[in-house]
Amino acid sequence: EAGVAQSPRYKIIEKRQSVAFWCNPISGHATLYWYQQILGQGPKLLIQFQNNGVVDDSQLPKDRFSAERLKGVDSTLKIQPAKLEDSAVYLCASSLGSGTLDSPLHFGNGTRLTVT
Amino acid sequence: AQKITQTQPGMFVQEKEAVTLDCTYDTSDPSYGLFWYKQPSSGEMIFLIYQGSYDQQNATEGRYSLNFQKARKSANLVISASQLGDSAMYFCAMILTGTASKLTFGTGTRLQVTL
Repeated sequence: EAGVAQSPRYKIIEKRQSVAFWCNPISGHATLYWYQQILGQGPKLLIQFQNNGVVDDSQLPKDRFSAERLKGVDSTLKIQPAKLEDSAVYLCASSLGSGTLDSPLHFGNGTRLTVT
Repeated sequence: AQKITQTQPGMFVQEKEAVTLDCTYDTSDPSYGLFWYKQPSSGEMIFLIYQGSYDQQNATEGRYSLNFQKARKSANLVISASQLGDSAMYFCAMILTGTASKLTFGTGTRLQVTL
């Protein structure tokens, strides 16, 4: 089966600019996640979708970050305006279930964002 | 709240030897799942193994096994017969039951396999 696809692979922007990331989950996976992984740390959940509805966005900085999942498939994550501390790898993941204990998340290769 | 702790920032192991990566967790929820993921330099997170809190036996997947000690709240990953390709970051993660549960990760352990 095809894995989780993410683009772009790398992105370099200046602070106060905007950027968008795209994710295509594994076919049939209802749940989609965006994680932020700062260098040297474990991934941190930003937002979780169940189909096209938001399940958890408690750690999403809503003043600058936004995400959508139209039609319950692809998703985009946007940052506007970017700050230096947003430099990180942004990982998209998908899973068959939502909150089920034995439904592992499958991750994409991530987008490495550098804000200068 | 849930918390995952990985106290080993880095580990070295010789090829063909076994290595144990430590993971402890903290939760008051009786129902949870524990995962281990591998992250090579390419950045992708690769699912390795899963252990449910009610599972009676320790999980095994090929060369990976999970040493689950519920009373001590530990879920250590054991890699047998290490290979050079095992060099990577390893993350322990936990999920709780519930419709809005989320996977919480530890800080990771960097494993380096040497000749």
